[in-house]
Amino acid sequence: NAGVTQTPKFRVLKTGQSMTLLCAQDMNHEYMYWYRQDPGMGLRLIHYSVGEGTTAKGEVPDGYNVSRLKKQNFLLGLESAAPSQTSVYFCASRPGTPKNEQFFGPGTRLTVL
Amino acid sequence: GIQVEQSPPDLILQEGANSTLRCNFSDSVNNLQWFHQNPWGQLINLFYIPSGTKQNGRLSATTVATERYSLLYISSSQTTDSGVYFCAVSNFGNEKLTFGTGTRLTIIP
Repeated sequence: NAGVTQTPKFRVLKTGQSMTLLCAQDMNHEYMYWYRQDPGMGLRLIHYSVGEGTTAKGEVPDGYNVSRLKKQNFLLGLESAAPSQTSVYFCASRPGTPKNEQFFGPGTRLTVL
Repeated sequence: GIQVEQSPPDLILQEGANSTLRCNFSDSVNNLQWFHQNPWGQLINLFYIPSGTKQNGRLSATTVATERYSLLYISSSQTTDSGVYFCAVSNFGNEKLTFGTGTRLTIIP
């Protein structure tokens, strides 16, 4: 059981480039999340999904898009990267109700120059 | 939205000491989790504790939901306990976890 995995672990982009971050979970969880963590802060929710084929906006969605074509995968896209998107990105998942404990992946460190 | 405050912001202790970290939240919650973010940046789940008391080895946690606070106890601290401890909550009808700003714990050998 690998839990929640993220690809890649590190990436450096130039302003205006695009990329996709991949999150995969093997726990058959219904819900999946993308968060970002900036220096000295806790995590903030970007987008989330309550099941295969669904997505919804979180607290800081601008500049990002997501897709959940398969239950086990949740993709986060940056169409035109900006320096303000330099951050550490965490994916999380949880089973359906009633227990709503979230489990986090190891993170992706993204730098936009 | 719900507010989460953690105290103290920083804590420096000798190896072997005990510590208590506090998390206050501003509204009723249906999820409260404690995490340890180690020096490599990984977020480790410590407790899922929207109410009650739990123990896991040298760590224990108590949440008093009616008074809107949670406490994390670390006994006999080890250097591997160093890192940042986050409390995160969510309330009914809200998918996001709201994180506090963390307590940075440094254990000195």
